[in-house]
Amino acid sequence: AQKITQTQPGMFVQEKEAVTLDCTYDTSDPSYGLFWYKQPSSGEMIFLIYQGSYDQQNATEGRYSLNFQKARKSANLVISASQLGDSAMYFCAMREDNTGNQFYFGTGTSLTVIP
Amino acid sequence: DVKVTQSSRYLVKRTGEKVFLECVQDMDHENMFWYRQDPGLGLRLIYFSYDVKMKEKGDIPEGYSVSREKKERFSLILESASTNQTSMYLCASSPTAGQGKSEQYFGPGTRLTVT
Repeated sequence: AQKITQTQPGMFVQEKEAVTLDCTYDTSDPSYGLFWYKQPSSGEMIFLIYQGSYDQQNATEGRYSLNFQKARKSANLVISASQLGDSAMYFCAMREDNTGNQFYFGTGTSLTVIP
Repeated sequence: DVKVTQSSRYLVKRTGEKVFLECVQDMDHENMFWYRQDPGLGLRLIYFSYDVKMKEKGDIPEGYSVSREKKERFSLILESASTNQTSMYLCASSPTAGQGKSEQYFGPGTRLTVT
């Protein structure tokens, strides 16, 4: 079974609007971390935001927030006030803390911001 | 700032050649990873290492080997390059899980073409 599922291959959003990128995960480890990365066309992977499984509040980093619903095993990324520079691939990833240091990545969502 | 460097951004090799991809990190991280990235498939783990001289197979190790003789350096070796190994190769490092968010830091990637 897939550890990380991203069901939206491509998304479009109008500039200045908010957009939600979906991510669901599968684990039986009670302690895990969830990560979102951005990959612009230049290719580098940029870390955006982290949510620990025991964190009580949803993580926020500037215009990025993580809508963490533990019971549903979802960790959606919300980008507010989209900018043209947000156009990129976005990857959701998970690390299981008790089963080693491996990270599991989803297949990514390509976001295009329309002016 | 963490820095992960890869020996080449672009590489063109012939079928059957032995190919070395080098990765160096400067943050004393225990863990290092090699991924390949192909459109629609996301990041797939080839090998990772959690200590010097230690290695673990990832999801797609066939046709690859690795070497970690020093903590800061992790090499990916294609013993006999084939055209189906044409891809983007990403190296990453991270501290051991349990040390805060312990996110992965990525190098700029090597785009390998095998002709």
